[in-house]
Amino acid sequence: EVQLVQSGAEVKKPGESLKISCKGSGYSFTSYWIGWVRQMPGKGLEWMGIIYPGDSDTRYSPSFQGQVTISADKSISTAYLQWSSLKASDTAMYYCARGMPSDYWGQGTLVTVSS
Amino acid sequence: EIVLTQSPGTLSLSPGERATLSCRASQSVSSSYLAWYQQKPGQAPRLLIYGASSRATGIPDRFSGSGSGTDFTLTISRLEPEDFAVYYCQQYGRAFGQGTKVEIK
Repeated sequence: EVQLVQSGAEVKKPGESLKISCKGSGYSFTSYWIGWVRQMPGKGLEWMGIIYPGDSDTRYSPSFQGQVTISADKSISTAYLQWSSLKASDTAMYYCARGMPSDYWGQGTLVTVSS
Repeated sequence: EIVLTQSPGTLSLSPGERATLSCRASQSVSSSYLAWYQQKPGQAPRLLIYGASSRATGIPDRFSGSGSGTDFTLTISRLEPEDFAVYYCQQYGRAFGQGTKVEIK
């Protein structure tokens, strides 16, 4: 059974760093793109970027380029989304999803940034 | 960068009615790379349609997709209670449309 399991909810202060994870199982992790999607409270889906764990080819939405870093560790079938300095406006639900199109989704990680 | 614009923003319909959702692209999109997703409150999105017109695994045949170039459509032939949700179109590995909410009239 294909599964994407994301790390748990986070509460952070502005300026702090954060790395959230997405662990794939039940399929060949290196053979599918993994994308990240932001959903701010009460808003729509925003595509952030995507990584191919097989060769670490990574692409970013222009809106998120330079704001976040997407990475993957294929040895443990895990993709990551990280921030070096969080802002209150980063408060959102973040989803990882497999493939293009995205046929399997993680359960989401809620990130709250508040002083 | 291609922008996808969905209309209407909200569709108010009754169970049993037909829903027609539009997704218009700012430039031509290969129909092979256009998908539709459904999202219900508190849940992750679910893939409905890929390649503009192919239903994903387990998706009922009341859902259908069509279109090419810059104009794409998702049709729900007869709305079931569980179909009231928000629907998004997406070019693979690119931005989503802003979504259409299908609500109970």
